[in-house]
Amino acid sequence: GAVVSQHPSWVICKSGTSVKIECRSLDFQATTMFWYRQFPKKSLMLMATSNEGSKATYEQGVEKDKFLINHASLTLSTLTVTSAHPEDSSFYICSARWREGRPDTQYFGPGTRLTVL
Amino acid sequence: KQEVTQIPAALSVPEGENLVLNCSFTDSAIYNLQWFRQDPGKGLTSLLLIQSSQREQTSGRLNASLDKSSGRSTLYIAASQPGDSATYLCAVLSGGYQKVTFGTGTKLQVIP
Repeated sequence: GAVVSQHPSWVICKSGTSVKIECRSLDFQATTMFWYRQFPKKSLMLMATSNEGSKATYEQGVEKDKFLINHASLTLSTLTVTSAHPEDSSFYICSARWREGRPDTQYFGPGTRLTVL
Repeated sequence: KQEVTQIPAALSVPEGENLVLNCSFTDSAIYNLQWFRQDPGKGLTSLLLIQSSQREQTSGRLNASLDKSSGRSTLYIAASQPGDSATYLCAVLSGGYQKVTFGTGTKLQVIP
């Protein structure tokens, strides 16, 4: 159990276009999902916390108008990179919080590699 | 603010050797600590999860320990194999908002 999927697994797009990445919890409900970004040869950095039915909370330095997050249901959160540029090329990973029992545990998706040409 | 550091940043060992990867964190008030493996260009594979009330977890050739009071965790890999070559990340769940903070990673190379 506790599987998190991401779609697509990789995407290549032209500069100026928008790209949507989906994160789904397949066998549990997640009121909270998280989006991370990994720069080349760096560790993962939290971008934002996505709460079902409310606005996402962004970390300092992350442009909320650039990275649109929507958590429309208890099993789906989406990250849209708007007007993508080459510097947005990165590896994006989501996680979903599973609150069955205590303590909480986050389960991570496989990641999406974005390349902006 | 939680900070997680991993030492060494890179490690190269001959096949068959036992090795230890280190992870340290600045805020000891954690909920849990998780060790991941990441292969080049790939996502994360969860290896071991240690809850704050536990001191160690074992899975096959892997053993992870946790010492909350000193802010340290170690990942012990026994009888290393070339297939163990990857980057190993530790991640700590902590704080009032229960955020995960990742370490800087240790890149392991096991030489046949």
